[in-house]
Amino acid sequence: GAVVSQHPSRVICKSGTSVKIECRSLDFQATTMFWYRQFPKQSLMLMATSNEGSKATYEQGVEKDKFLINHASLTLSTLTVTSAHPEDSSFYICSAKQGASDTQYFGPGTRLTVL
Amino acid sequence: QKEVEQNSGPLSVPEGAIASLNCTYSDRGSQSFFWYRQYSGKSPELIMSIYSNGDKEDGRFTAQLNKASQYVSLLIRDSQPSDSATYLCAAYNFNKFYFGSGTKLNVKP
Repeated sequence: GAVVSQHPSRVICKSGTSVKIECRSLDFQATTMFWYRQFPKQSLMLMATSNEGSKATYEQGVEKDKFLINHASLTLSTLTVTSAHPEDSSFYICSAKQGASDTQYFGPGTRLTVL
Repeated sequence: QKEVEQNSGPLSVPEGAIASLNCTYSDRGSQSFFWYRQYSGKSPELIMSIYSNGDKEDGRFTAQLNKASQYVSLLIRDSQPSDSATYLCAAYNFNKFYFGSGTKLNVKP
């Protein structure tokens, strides 16, 4: 149980284009989803927290107009990187948890490369 | 000051030895603590969670929590080369997880 999927696993795009990453909880209701970014040899950096049906809460320094997060259902959240630039190239990982539980389950991650 | 601090390592141990990983946290309100293992290029996977002072054992892994000292540790007994990875410590409070920078563990055959 407690499986989280992400799609796509890898994406290469041209600078200036937008990329959408999907995060799905397959066997539980994810009332809260987290989006992280990880640069090489660095730790996870929380970008935003999204609760189903509410606007996402972004961490300081994360541009909400650049990283659009939608959490419209209890099993799906999406992260759209708008007008991507090479500096946005990173490993994006989502996680999900249910209700008041303090256990988060990670998706496999999406490696974004912006040319 | 970072919320959760870890020594970045690398920590090198011979196969079969005990690996000891340490973590400190700054927020006394943190409610629960987690150890994740992350292989290169992969997302983290949960190894252990611990909520109360003392030790918690699961197979070869033992997590230790000392809330007075704001200290969490992970012991890996009979270390195997497959344990070579980066170990992330996390503290949870108010619906948010705070991660340390991770300790890289190398287990030498």
